[in-house]
Amino acid sequence: DIVMTQTPLSLSVTPGQPASISCKSSQSLLHSDGKTYLYWYLQKPGQPPQLLIYEVSNRFSGVPDRFSGSGSGTDFTLKISRVEAEDVGVYYCMQSIQLPRVTFGGGTKVEIK
Amino acid sequence: EVQLVESGGGLIQPGGSLRLSCAASGFTVSSNYMSWVRQAPGKGLEWVSVIYSGGSTYYADSVKGRFTISRDNSKNTLYLQMNSLRAEDTAVYYCARDGQLSIWGQGTMVTVSS
Repeated sequence: DIVMTQTPLSLSVTPGQPASISCKSSQSLLHSDGKTYLYWYLQKPGQPPQLLIYEVSNRFSGVPDRFSGSGSGTDFTLKISRVEAEDVGVYYCMQSIQLPRVTFGGGTKVEIK
Repeated sequence: EVQLVESGGGLIQPGGSLRLSCAASGFTVSSNYMSWVRQAPGKGLEWVSVIYSGGSTYYADSVKGRFTISRDNSKNTLYLQMNSLRAEDTAVYYCARDGQLSIWGQGTMVTVSS
């Protein structure tokens, strides 16, 4: 299985400041179809995960444009341009190049200072 | 509105069985790739099982031979039959739609304990 490694484990951010989360995969997530199967989710406290970003850099419906994703191959980054109070929770990356065996990163907890 | 609602969780003794349900609305389960993902208390996300629109099924090694995923097209509902439950199966179980896991239910808690 592909191992997904996220850093940092936790992040404390002042509202209005940027935040960045890294995700590294043990194998390239670039498929022969040209797509890269890397996703980002946010799990707010007491809620299920919600899809933020699909295929590295595409924001899912309704996701604010302060969230952006980038990267290629095995190295990926989620950036929040200006953190808001509603952004607290745990962020997960996920790979699905090895469908059906998707795997998740360990999560990065974001809190507000 | 597109929605998934899980049910069927509870407290069960080791070795027991439980069937989880995931009722869908706003879309057709049988036309979609549907997954179960679980989250142990205080832990991260773990993929459990998937059923493709064509009916193929797959399982994580940790549950293979003990869990069975299925669907009832007439009820537009996804199921997870869990047998020979172990303490390490204790988790919130979520159902999710499609390969992007774009829609998640609220989850149902399964506690395996004597």
